[in-house]
Amino acid sequence: SQQGEEDPQALSIQEGENATMNCSYKTSINNLQWYRQNSGRGLVHLILIRSNEREKHSGRLRVTLDTSKKSSSLLITASRAADTASYFCATAAQGGSEKLVFGKGMKLTVNP
Amino acid sequence: DVKVTQSSRYLVKRTGEKVFLECVQDMDHENMFWYRQDPGLGLRLIYFSYDVKMKEKGDIPEGYSVSREKKERFSLILESASTNQTSMYLCASTLGQSEQYFGPGTRLTVT
Repeated sequence: SQQGEEDPQALSIQEGENATMNCSYKTSINNLQWYRQNSGRGLVHLILIRSNEREKHSGRLRVTLDTSKKSSSLLITASRAADTASYFCATAAQGGSEKLVFGKGMKLTVNP
Repeated sequence: DVKVTQSSRYLVKRTGEKVFLECVQDMDHENMFWYRQDPGLGLRLIYFSYDVKMKEKGDIPEGYSVSREKKERFSLILESASTNQTSMYLCASTLGQSEQYFGPGTRLTVT
């Protein structure tokens, strides 16, 4: 069952610009995670934010979580061509299940 | 460095063949997962295992089975491959509800 929905589905920007991706979900969560996938490869974990956190930073990444709106955003600052990839949000449900529910992903293209 | 490996990057099989996809992790994780990824559909969970010999169906288990005889190894089995099982298959492992570590994926084509 798909829960996370990324928005926009595709984004094309110039190097140096910031990229913002949004994720909405439907049920109560324990945490929300963002992953990156380079073309034809496995997913790589970027950042995890727990339901009691509102904002988290990791290098050029900034994630926010609004549990009242059931939404999260991922901001990549000063983008680079190497950031070109698909990005997925995934939610871990409240109640302790180890399963994650992934969104369909969004494609970010950073033009040099 | 944590590692999840998958037995093949690319695989071509014929309709009706039995197919084994193998996944090995070296992190002593109790949880392992098999997903398939198709354009426009994202990742869909096929099966997951929370311990040796324990398994739970995911969202799309039909046509698949799994085996976990050892903690580090989780196999996905297509008993009789069909063309609609042509897809990218991704294995992952995790400890609890933390980040999942993914293998590089196996692109399976069934002709």
